[in-house]
Amino acid sequence: DTEVTQTPKHLVMGMTNKKSLKCEQHMGHRAMYWYKQKAKKPPELMFVYSYEKLSINESVPSRFSPECPNSSLLNLHLHALQPEDSALYLCASSHHHGGGTNIEQFFGPGTRLTVL
Amino acid sequence: GQNIDQPTEMTATEGAIVQINCTYQTSGFNGLFWYQQHAGEAPTFLSYNVLDGLEEKGRFSSFLSRSKGYSYLLLKELQMKDSASYLCAVKSGAGSYQLTFGKGTKLSVIP
Repeated sequence: DTEVTQTPKHLVMGMTNKKSLKCEQHMGHRAMYWYKQKAKKPPELMFVYSYEKLSINESVPSRFSPECPNSSLLNLHLHALQPEDSALYLCASSHHHGGGTNIEQFFGPGTRLTVL
Repeated sequence: GQNIDQPTEMTATEGAIVQINCTYQTSGFNGLFWYQQHAGEAPTFLSYNVLDGLEEKGRFSSFLSRSKGYSYLLLKELQMKDSASYLCAVKSGAGSYQLTFGKGTKLSVIP
């Protein structure tokens, strides 16, 4: 299984809603990532988990709350979002950092989020 | 700081060869990645260079010169399905998970 899966594929939510994005991989990767991508822009890193612990938080607002329940799952909890948070949210995974060659990040298909 | 530059758009003809350049100035360097992204889809990994030189993978090749802060992606025998954005990304440190992406080059392949 060389796939990263994400659900839902599309999500529309109001500014007062609470929702969660889910990501799953079964490649044995111990690093997992959340990226945000606006139209015609490159992906921007939000969070990195390494061995189920938060390793990097790129100064993301607290209305985004990541969670890594186990080595295969990564969630992103959303609360009180703003319309400007509308974007494609990409999950990725990779082997743990190191000097090896198999350190590419594998991306999921993304969740397209619209905040009304 | 991190700065990665690539052309915004390129157009090439089916069957031809196209070279997409990427220059970078980063605070550290531990490898350069090329990703392909079709509109509305996730990026997919194409290549990784950490040492100087050319890496070839089928119709795709990637070159790196660390002293010049320069890489290119070479696509041969272009096909219509190669129309996509091509993202150059730099990993800035040995222990770093962080990939800094360039803005991407939108390639249009025309008949």
